[in-house]
Amino acid sequence: EAQVTQNPRYLITVTGKKLTVTCSQNMNHEYMSWYRQDPGLGLRQIYYSMNVEVTDKGDVPEGYKVSRKEKRNFPLILESPSPNQTSLYFCASSLSQGRGNEQFFGPGTRLTVL
Amino acid sequence: GNSVTQMEGPVTLSEEAFLTINCTYTATGYPSLFWYVQYPGEGLQLLLKATKADDKGSNKGFEATYRKETTSFHLEKGSVQVSDSAVYFCALSGTGGSYIPTFGRGTSLIVHP
Repeated sequence: EAQVTQNPRYLITVTGKKLTVTCSQNMNHEYMSWYRQDPGLGLRQIYYSMNVEVTDKGDVPEGYKVSRKEKRNFPLILESPSPNQTSLYFCASSLSQGRGNEQFFGPGTRLTVL
Repeated sequence: GNSVTQMEGPVTLSEEAFLTINCTYTATGYPSLFWYVQYPGEGLQLLLKATKADDKGSNKGFEATYRKETTSFHLEKGSVQVSDSAVYFCALSGTGGSYIPTFGRGTSLIVHP
């Protein structure tokens, strides 16, 4: 089954404790991205990657890091989480960055930073 | 830059009512337009799309027409069901030299039996 998986689905942590949210897709997609969803603000893109070893900032990259060492994986790293990073996070992928390509989303990771 | 504006929700309807969710956009060039749906506890999934002016996207009884003259892509359904209760996102991509997608803030739809 074609899918995007994220882990963990739920995470409660404390300020300053480094964490990684994993994302993997099995569709051989070139383009992957991370979003955060907050009430009243909709979806905001954090980082994206056009292919292996190619990443770039989205609209709200501060406090986040990413890497793309393999085509299928695109982990999101919070080196020193803060309470304002409490949010619902989605990973997404698409065949390429082409204008008509739909994005496939993972199920989401709900992060709470105390 | 690009932007997408959706009507604020929640939109509350009775089953079998007609649905319209308005979406207008600002973009240079000729973007592709999308509607995504997010059911409770799930990620977004594509509902329909249109890639050029006057195209009509349709799926599961939902329709939207790409109107370049009014820069709009309104979502419609003739008879909603309780199972259509979800959050709907309008989005665009593929313009301004960048293919980074732009999403609206989402519109919550609640359908009562």
